[in-house]
Amino acid sequence: SQQGEEDPQALSIQEGENATMNCSYKTSINNLQWYRQNSGRGLVHLILIRSNEREKHSGRLRVTLDTSKKSSSLLITASRAADTASYFCATVNTGGFKTIFGAGTRLFVKA
Amino acid sequence: NAGVTQTPKFQVLKTGQSMTLQCAQDMNHNSMYWYRQDPGMGLRLIYYSASEGTTDKGEVPNGYNVSRLNKREFSLRLESAAPSQTSVYFCASKGQTDSYNSPLHFGNGTRLTVT
Repeated sequence: SQQGEEDPQALSIQEGENATMNCSYKTSINNLQWYRQNSGRGLVHLILIRSNEREKHSGRLRVTLDTSKKSSSLLITASRAADTASYFCATVNTGGFKTIFGAGTRLFVKA
Repeated sequence: NAGVTQTPKFQVLKTGQSMTLQCAQDMNHNSMYWYRQDPGMGLRLIYYSASEGTTDKGEVPNGYNVSRLNKREFSLRLESAAPSQTSVYFCASKGQTDSYNSPLHFGNGTRLTVT
């Protein structure tokens, strides 16, 4: 079974708007990561937030983590057409070797 | 740097045929992984190798075998392919330093169709 579940499954917005994606997970984690996948390509790591952190920023990305609710959100501000991709959350188990992915959110940014 | 290289990029098999998917990384990473990606299901972990000489099952290991040939290479074998194994297969690796907080580096995938 998958650890993370993203919401929504798909999101369509206009260029310049903000995009928010949510992720819920089931078990205790060491960290939560977000990845991006362009069509036909492999996944690319975006940002990692540790279990003792509540918020993290990287450029136009903002990630929050609520371990009491076992949930995280990824905010992309001032979206661009080039942000069109699928976004996945992933959690790392206590051993540090298994990374388990959710089903992803497909983001479409209209120019 | 090439990063993570997967071969072949595309493959069509008939039910019952066997094949090996190859993966190599040039980043001196200790850990390597095989995932499969199916529509609407994200990525599911098939097998992983925490270090050279070790392999462990992931979420969906049935029907697959792996070999960690050396530190660079990690292969995935389908002994008797089934239509349910039609998928996109991704290899990934990550460094040993701070194993909890190292990101995965992915190849571009092998698209396998079993008829």
